Amino acid sequence: EDQVTQSPEALRLQEGESSSLNCSYTVSGLRGLFWYRQDPGKGPEFLFTLYSAGEEKEKERLKATLTKKESFLHITAPKPEDSATYLCAVQANQKVTFGTGTKLQVIP
Amino acid sequence: NAGVTQTPKFQVLKTGQSMTLQCAQDMNHNSMYWYRQDPGMGLRLIYYSASEGTTDKGEVPNGYNVSRLNKREFSLRLESAAPSQTSVYFCASIAGTLTDTQYFGPGTRLTVL
Repeated sequence: EDQVTQSPEALRLQEGESSSLNCSYTVSGLRGLFWYRQDPGKGPEFLFTLYSAGEEKEKERLKATLTKKESFLHITAPKPEDSATYLCAVQANQKVTFGTGTKLQVIP
Repeated sequence: NAGVTQTPKFQVLKTGQSMTLQCAQDMNHNSMYWYRQDPGMGLRLIYYSASEGTTDKGEVPNGYNVSRLNKREFSLRLESAAPSQTSVYFCASIAGTLTDTQYFGPGTRLTVL
């Protein structure tokens, strides 16, 4: 059974305090790993897709990396507007499996 | 270009009532999906439609039915609502394969009393 585990469940950072969110997965035949951002009361918004180990992608203060067992979402010098829940999902075996998310709060 | 739209945004039902959640996309995508999101659980797939005229069960299909009305619209029906169906429902669409980006709607928050 495909499994996706995100940690920590919640993270509280001071503005400017860099950190990383983790997404570990157990699947056979990974086709893609996705990161989404979800604001309260809204649908998930796509951030990145990673396809193979060693791949990295960046967008503003966010950088996603992928290994054979996990992915990290690095947040550099976060701002309050980065506060959201970040979801990870993997695509394998003709389906997409989502993690439960990390709720990030950035305090001014 | 509105993307993926869902109606209604909120709904309260009594046990046993029925209702249909509507979803439409204007991106000419082939595949459409219905998920539910519950606290402490990841998004779970209810039903999907890989193309117009086809529908398939996902992980948690019991108690639901779907209709792919045309390429744009994909509806989810609860025939006899139960409290266990209290959840937030999201519709999503993809242009091509599962490795493509999924675009999500804003969600419908359903409460079943």
